Order: sequence, then C-alpha cells, then structure tokens
Amino acid sequence: DGGITQSPKYLFRKEGQNVTLSCEQNLNHDAMYWYRQDPGQGLRLIYYSQIVNDFQKGDIAEGYSVSREKKESFPLTVTSAQKNPTAFYLCASSPISGGVNEQFFGPGTRLTVL
Amino acid sequence: GQNIDQPTEMTATEGAIVQINCTYQTSGFNGLFWYQQHAGEAPTFLSYNVLDGLEEKGRFSSFLSRSKGYSYLLLKELQMKDSASYLCAVMDSNYQLIWGAGTKLIIKP
Repeated sequence: DGGITQSPKYLFRKEGQNVTLSCEQNLNHDAMYWYRQDPGQGLRLIYYSQIVNDFQKGDIAEGYSVSREKKESFPLTVTSAQKNPTAFYLCASSPISGGVNEQFFGPGTRLTVL
Repeated sequence: GQNIDQPTEMTATEGAIVQINCTYQTSGFNGLFWYQQHAGEAPTFLSYNVLDGLEEKGRFSSFLSRSKGYSYLLLKELQMKDSASYLCAVMDSNYQLIWGAGTKLIIKP
C-alpha cells in the first residue's frame, strides 16, 4: 500500500538533546513538507523540499534542520536550539511542487521534551 | 498579513446538518482546501474549491465565494464518526498552504 510513514508515534527526550523524526513515502511524490501542530493553532510549516538535495525554510525553521538525500525520505532534526519543541509533528507529501496539489499526511509524531 | 479564521468548536446532533465557516485574507489565492482530522491522527483531504460555488461530494459539500473571502463546509446526515476537527487551508500565490486553527466538531446522540 502506498503512503507516508512516520516513526516513532510517540517520542520522549530530555531537554538539550537533539532528536530526529523519520518520514518516508512510497508515493513517488516530488515535494515533501514538515509541519508543527500546537493546540489552538493552525499547522505551521517548518521546512519543505521540492526536489532531492534541495529544501527551503518555512515560517518556523529556527531550531530545526532537514535533509533530502533520497526522494522517499525527509527526516527532521529537532535541535537543542528549538526553544519549545514539545508538539505534534506532521510530515506531508504532494505529487508535484509549485502547483496546486493535495497534500497527503503521515500519522504524525508526538514529541515531548522533559 | 495572512489570516484564516474558523470557529474553535461546534456541537451538533447525530442526523442533523452543520455548516462550518472559514474566512480568509491571504497573499494571492490558488484555491481553498478542507481537511478532516481525528484526534491524534493525520489530516485527510475532503475538498478543494478554486471557483465560486458549491461542490458536492456525498454527505459533504463545500462552498466558496472569492469576492467575500469566505468558504463553508456543509455536513449532512451527521454520524458519530464525523466527530473530528475540520481544517480550512488556503493555497497562496507561492503555492504554500496557509492553515486555519481548525474547528472541533462534537456530535451528540
């Protein structure tokens, strides 16, 4: 079955530690996205990638980093520089970048920093 | 600035009809999306409107008025499984989605 997988579902980390969230898709989509979702707020774009080996900052990129070495994979690292990392993180993909496309979402990772 | 407004929460009765409104102010407009999100799960696509008017898809319909910066999602014959958050998102001139905070819909028997 085609889709987007994110792992793990729940993640706990101590303050000051970097953590990497996994996102894999087998939909052959060009574009991939990382969003953060907090209670009472809309999804906010962290980073997006339109093609392999290229990515752009979204609205809230500070304290995060990404890589896009393969079309299928777009991991997100939450660094110790992110001041408030506890949130629900959603990865998404769409068929073509730079056009009108529905975005398909993974199941999300809930990160809690203790 | 860019802004999407939706009611925070709505309550409706099983079998009834509910209308969830969304108003927007964005830099350019390349269409409006509605997504459904059950608690703790991924958003799933419901509808896309780019032209004025009503799009019907089974029990769900979505309406758009570009001149008023307004859309609504209409849910008919409500079922308990429709209890979820409904997210409105506008695609701006850069083809990025700007998201509303979502409307939590509570269905009562």
